Amino acid sequence: AQSVTQPDIHITVSEGASLELRCNYSYGATPYLFWYVQSPGQGLQLLLKYFSGDTLVQGIKGFEAEFKRSQSSFNLRKPSVHWSDAAEYFCAVGSPGGYQKVTFGTGTKLQVIP
Amino acid sequence: DAGVTQSPTHLIKTRGQQVTLRCSPISGHKSVSWYQQVLGQGPQFIFQYYEKEERGRGNFPDRFSARQFPNYSSELNVNALLLGDSALYLCASFLGSGSTDTQYFGPGTRLTVL
Repeated sequence: AQSVTQPDIHITVSEGASLELRCNYSYGATPYLFWYVQSPGQGLQLLLKYFSGDTLVQGIKGFEAEFKRSQSSFNLRKPSVHWSDAAEYFCAVGSPGGYQKVTFGTGTKLQVIP
Repeated sequence: DAGVTQSPTHLIKTRGQQVTLRCSPISGHKSVSWYQQVLGQGPQFIFQYYEKEERGRGNFPDRFSARQFPNYSSELNVNALLLGDSALYLCASFLGSGSTDTQYFGPGTRLTVL
């Protein structure tokens, strides 16, 4: 069965510093991979997704993620964090078909300090 | 354009009661999916509907049911509520039916079962 691990429950970074959120997945074939962001009181918003092709994926709000098959990872990065990036971030893995095949991780809460 | 809307925003019920949650998708979207997000966890898939037909069901008991109407809005029903049903219930809409389509999430309905 597919699964997602986000090893960091909580991360604190200074505004302007770089950010990397870790995501490891377990899946037998080439997975569909997603990163979502959830701000307090809000639903989830898709930051980026990977289905195939170029392993470096660009997303919204200046985020990017790199698919590394050898490490079963799909880490999210941002070169310079803004205070408005404080939120919870979810990695998800899926496969062709409907969304019943998408599994979310438990999330990483990002705190940004001035 | 309006995003995905959900009602009510908050709901308090007691054990054994029944609850109906509502979702209106983005105009033109034909798919709706429902998720349960327990505090501290990632969303868990409950149902997906496309063109009024159930296209996927997660690992939830039969107390959970849903339907989609001709205008593509949807209702999620939960019978015989348990304390463990307390969660944020998220609805998402998307254009097609597959997991390559971007899901757009509503703000959710916070259900508290006492």
